[in-house]
Amino acid sequence: AQRVTQPEKLLSVFKGAPVELKCNYSYSGSPELFWYVQYSRQRLQLLLRHISRESIKGFTADLNKGETSFHLKKPFAQEEDSAMYYCALTPPLSYGKLTFGQGTILTVHP
Amino acid sequence: GAGVSQSPSNKVTEKGKDVELRCDPISGHTALYWYRQSLGQGLEFLIYFQGNSAPDKSGLPSDRFSAERTGGSVSTLTIQRTQQEDSAVYLCASSSGQGTTDTQYFGPGTRLTVL
Repeated sequence: AQRVTQPEKLLSVFKGAPVELKCNYSYSGSPELFWYVQYSRQRLQLLLRHISRESIKGFTADLNKGETSFHLKKPFAQEEDSAMYYCALTPPLSYGKLTFGQGTILTVHP
Repeated sequence: GAGVSQSPSNKVTEKGKDVELRCDPISGHTALYWYRQSLGQGLEFLIYFQGNSAPDKSGLPSDRFSAERTGGSVSTLTIQRTQQEDSAVYLCASSSGQGTTDTQYFGPGTRLTVL
């Protein structure tokens, strides 16, 4: 069975500092990987997905198949990045049933 | 257009009562998901509907939980004989249903509290 681990429950950084939210997964294959974000008093929304190789709001995520990791990075954190971040995976050729990590609360201090 | 909507936004019930939670997906979305967000378990999948196909109920935690989707649109999640451990935020999401990496659009959730 697949599993997603986000080792940090809480992460605090100062504005302008680099930030990395860690995500490790276990799955016997090549899953599709995502980062979802939930800002305060807003609904959960997709931030980025691996397949698109995109950068959203300055965030990027690199898949490391050897380490089975999909860490989320931003070189210069902003206060508006403060939110709950979830890493998620779904098996390939499936219908998109997501397995989520436990989430990391990111706080960016001024 | 309108996003995914859920009702009620909050529900407080007594242990042993039945509750119904409603989800209105985005118009035209054929795929609909229910997830549960709780302190102890994080975000977990409950059930998935796609068009007229049989739903994937593999995430339902017990036979007290059931869900239906009428006319391929609105979905209702029913919890019978609620228990305190059912207290959580129940999230509904919908997608176009065209592929594994479709964006899932989430509703605001229903916060269920079982006293």
